[in-house]
Amino acid sequence: NAGVTQTPKFQVLKTGQSMTLQCAQDMNHEYMSWYRQDPGMGLRLIHYSVGAGITDQGEVPNGYNVSRSTTEDFPLRLLSAAPSQTSVYFCASSSPGVAGVTDTQYFGPGTRLTVL
Amino acid sequence: AQKITQTQPGMFVQEKEAVTLDCTYDTSDPSYGLFWYKQPSSGEMIFLIYQGSYDQQNATEGRYSLNFQKARKSANLVISASQLGDSAMYFCAGSSASKIIFGSGTRLSIRP
Repeated sequence: NAGVTQTPKFQVLKTGQSMTLQCAQDMNHEYMSWYRQDPGMGLRLIHYSVGAGITDQGEVPNGYNVSRSTTEDFPLRLLSAAPSQTSVYFCASSSPGVAGVTDTQYFGPGTRLTVL
Repeated sequence: AQKITQTQPGMFVQEKEAVTLDCTYDTSDPSYGLFWYKQPSSGEMIFLIYQGSYDQQNATEGRYSLNFQKARKSANLVISASQLGDSAMYFCAGSSASKIIFGSGTRLSIRP
């Protein structure tokens, strides 16, 4: 089972460059999220989606765009990369449980991004 | 949950001892969930245990149990009979509908 896949695994960018981190899931999950994890810190929510065509901002959305045209895919776009965006990026997917509350979230392996 | 607080940046525990990792949460949602994840040095996020706000009993999964005290807004993780392989970062997280927020984590080190 593929689960949640992320590409690329590693990426080095120069300041000002743009790029898209890819995320796909094959579990037909309604919910998908993007997190960043800075060294020695917890995960911070960037953007999330409750279904195709619906996205919302998380805790740290500035500098990132998302779209959700299909249930399976949830790409994250860095518009103009900055050194402060050097981090590990995790994509996750889940489904609503009892009372609509997510009770299981599956993570991708992460993308390690360095911005010079 | 809208805010998750983990107040223990690091802990050292002797092998085979039990360990409790603290987590408190703050939310105004009537329904919510609480998670614990393990992140070893390899970096992947491993789901350990889940507790729903509507669950009457504390969740258990093998050596892991979640001590859920709703009135205190706490959701502590208890690991019984710790093993060397338990050395890792541990994150508490809270969900309200589709949004899941993480705490800052606790680094657990098991001494042989």
